[in-house]
Amino acid sequence: EDKVVQSPLSLVVHEGDTVTLNCSYEVTNFRSLLWYKQEKKAPTFLFMLTSSGIEKKSGRLSSILDKKELSSILNITATQTGDSAIYLCAVEAVDDMRFGAGTRLTVKP
Amino acid sequence: SQTIHQWPATLVQPVGSPLSLECTVEGTSNPNLYWYRQAAGRGLQLLFYSVGIGQISSEVPQNLSASRPQDRQFILSSKKLLLSDSGFYLCAWGTGNSPLHFGNGTRLTVT
Repeated sequence: EDKVVQSPLSLVVHEGDTVTLNCSYEVTNFRSLLWYKQEKKAPTFLFMLTSSGIEKKSGRLSSILDKKELSSILNITATQTGDSAIYLCAVEAVDDMRFGAGTRLTVKP
Repeated sequence: SQTIHQWPATLVQPVGSPLSLECTVEGTSNPNLYWYRQAAGRGLQLLFYSVGIGQISSEVPQNLSASRPQDRQFILSSKKLLLSDSGFYLCAWGTGNSPLHFGNGTRLTVT
């Protein structure tokens, strides 16, 4: 059965630290992998990854997909308290979409 | 453990026909329930959310409506589908500050 596994489930760091969040998947007919930041009712879209080895960046956030290893990482450098949130990984297949359980990131001042 | 069921997985409907997508949650009480629409490969658009039976908040005015007849049941409906209603719909539940738990989605094609 298709599944998406995120690790760690929770993470506590201090401002300025760099964090790496992991997402691994087993999905039939993979189309894309997406990262979201969940703070309120509608998770905010961060990245969509379809090609292996191509890093996507947005400010202090970056992400890369490894199709061989069936995984992706989300990096956040120089973390700020505003980065505290739940980060969701989702994998889009041809006919459905699977979400991981999320990583709860807490950034302390 | 908690589970969420969403059906059907795929649906092809003609323009003007009605729609009913159903979502049920097991293993939890009084969850917050959500309907989202997934734009192709991008963000999640919140359509409706509910904090209790009969309590529905609409985020985006459109051709759709939602109902919560029971604590763990959330239904997305339309009286007359439009072509623009085609898309991928996701149901989710959450409790306060916890990660959202998503169903597997329904791919709706309006022809």
